[in-house]
Amino acid sequence: QQQVKQSPQSLIVQKGGISIINCAYENTAFDYFPWYQQFPGKGPALLIAIRPDVSEKKEGRFTISFNKSAKQFSLHIMDSQPGDSATYFCAARRGGNTPLVFGKGTRLSVIA
Amino acid sequence: DVKVTQSSRYLVKRTGEKVFLECVQDMDHENMFWYRQDPGLGLRLIYFSYDVKMKEKGDIPEGYSVSREKKERFSLILESASTNQTSMYLCASRTTVQGNEQFFGPGTRLTVL
Repeated sequence: QQQVKQSPQSLIVQKGGISIINCAYENTAFDYFPWYQQFPGKGPALLIAIRPDVSEKKEGRFTISFNKSAKQFSLHIMDSQPGDSATYFCAARRGGNTPLVFGKGTRLSVIA
Repeated sequence: DVKVTQSSRYLVKRTGEKVFLECVQDMDHENMFWYRQDPGLGLRLIYFSYDVKMKEKGDIPEGYSVSREKKERFSLILESASTNQTSMYLCASRTTVQGNEQFFGPGTRLTVL
């Protein structure tokens, strides 16, 4: 049973465009929703995270939009750059000593 | 800076061998995790540890065991390696004191022949 469903599996965006990756979850006990970025040959690194008490969080060109009623959250990358080409994972967890549950990842390619 | 290191970047082993993957973190984190990453399957949790000598099964523990004798070190053991355990293995750690960020190591690409 996949607790966090991520789409699309891959995405090609023109330089300067907007990249959008979506995730949906089932467990209403989740209270922390991060996005991780992974470059080839590296481990994933935290990009941005949100809690369900806000609907949007922005850090530079990266924005998380959160819809609690729909149990969905998404990552928007504005003015996408070739350096943003990476694999992106959404995740979620409950409180306490619980592990993150990850989506299957989206491979983003930003082409010039 | 938090640093999570893994003993090998690349490892080639034979079917049936016992394999040890070592992970060390230098930030006194209580929680440590082992994931495997496969194309199209994302990150799947194998085992995690809340603290020293504590361990919990993740989603895919079959064929694996773990050891956490010291707080900074979390070892993943493949008791008898099989070809379907060929994968990228990622270790991560997290503090319970503040924040939720999990810090990942660079990964070990294991090939079982």
